[in-house]
Amino acid sequence: KAGVTQTPRYLIKTRGQQVTLSCSPISGHRSVSWYQQTPGQGLQFLFEYFSETQRNKGNFPGRFSGRQFSNSRSEMNVSTLELGDSALYLCASSVTSATYEQYFGPGTRLTVT
Amino acid sequence: GQQLNQSPQSMFIQEGEDVSMNCTSSSIFNTWLWYKQDPGEGPVLLIALYKAGELTSNGRLTAQFGITRKDSFLNISASIPSDVGIYFCAGQLSGSNYKLTFGKGTLLTVNP
Repeated sequence: KAGVTQTPRYLIKTRGQQVTLSCSPISGHRSVSWYQQTPGQGLQFLFEYFSETQRNKGNFPGRFSGRQFSNSRSEMNVSTLELGDSALYLCASSVTSATYEQYFGPGTRLTVT
Repeated sequence: GQQLNQSPQSMFIQEGEDVSMNCTSSSIFNTWLWYKQDPGEGPVLLIALYKAGELTSNGRLTAQFGITRKDSFLNISASIPSDVGIYFCAGQLSGSNYKLTFGKGTLLTVNP
């Protein structure tokens, strides 16, 4: 079974721009969660989507948003990029929203200049 | 903010040695998981724990869900060079709307 895939793997953007990241979960997994990983703050939960609905949300500003499609694929959008948004963005999938065994993709490395 | 204290921050050991690391919190967790992350990759799930007192093994790895539900331990026996990486604990905080809360990680270096 194929694992979680994320595209693109690397991205360089300029302050003020917006960016969209994509995640395809493991086949049969319907929950997708997004995390931000930085050296200073570690892994921080952004939000979770299940059945095209946001189920849980971390403590991030409204510039961070996401959505999920009917095939469980998810996208994350960051608007008005700031230098501090430079991070590894990880997507993780699980079977349902009530399942906590999450399987991570390789991440998208975003650099904001 | 961060509610999981993971220690030690880093470890340097010789091949063949056993390793112990732990996560503690002042809050109660319903689920504990342990992940390993290699450079440039996403975390890989090693062990999941669902009940207080539960002890689970995965090869040379053994993890325990603390009886108070506020801590968890991971032991690696007879370490080998490929054990090098960052180990993270993660938990589902009781009453939280966060999917998982992560510790800051333990960087393990194994000298052959």
